[in-house]
Amino acid sequence: GENVEQHPSTLSVQEGDSAVIKCTYSDSASNYFPWYKQELGKRPQLIIDIRSNVGEKKDQRIAVTLNKTAKHFSLHITETQPEDSAVYFCAPFSGYSTLTFGKGTMLLVSP
Amino acid sequence: GAGVSQSPRYKVAKRGQDVALRCDPISGHVSLFWYQQALGQGPEFLTYFQNEAQLDKSGLPSDRFFAERPEGSVSTLKIQRTQQEDSAVYLCASSSLGASEPQHFGDGTRLSIL
Repeated sequence: GENVEQHPSTLSVQEGDSAVIKCTYSDSASNYFPWYKQELGKRPQLIIDIRSNVGEKKDQRIAVTLNKTAKHFSLHITETQPEDSAVYFCAPFSGYSTLTFGKGTMLLVSP
Repeated sequence: GAGVSQSPRYKVAKRGQDVALRCDPISGHVSLFWYQQALGQGPEFLTYFQNEAQLDKSGLPSDRFFAERPEGSVSTLKIQRTQQEDSAVYLCASSSLGASEPQHFGDGTRLSIL
């Protein structure tokens, strides 16, 4: 099965700073790489995803970069706001039935 | 529907009781997934349906867990003879087709076993 690691496990930034969360995976067959945001007591929400034939994707303040050779992908949030505070999960898909979620990164954005 | 709907939102049961959790996926979504999320952890896969067919149940922790989707729409996750270690949030997700299409989650059912 897929081994997924996220770093850091917690991240504290000041409002307006950038935040970067890295996800490493083990299965070279992985071909779909989503990021989910989960606020306390809420459902996981897909915020951005990328496929293996693309190296980078951007959506307003959020971007994802993929390095297939090194088997990692990263979430980049620019101009962070307090409402970005949440737990973020990477969940690569390697061709089995479902996504394999990382343990999560708690992002705290202080005003 | 507008999104994935799960019921009940909260369920408290005594150890040994049976429980049933319901998931109503987004209309037209072929694929349906059940996950278990322990406190402070990421969701862990339980089982996967494509239409009414259960294609993968490798994540079900024991034979006390059973899932069905008889008409290819609503799904029920049943846990028999509940144990304290079954306490968790049970999440349902659906996608248009397969796990490599965006999965949309419900709010989950928080199950507490006393």
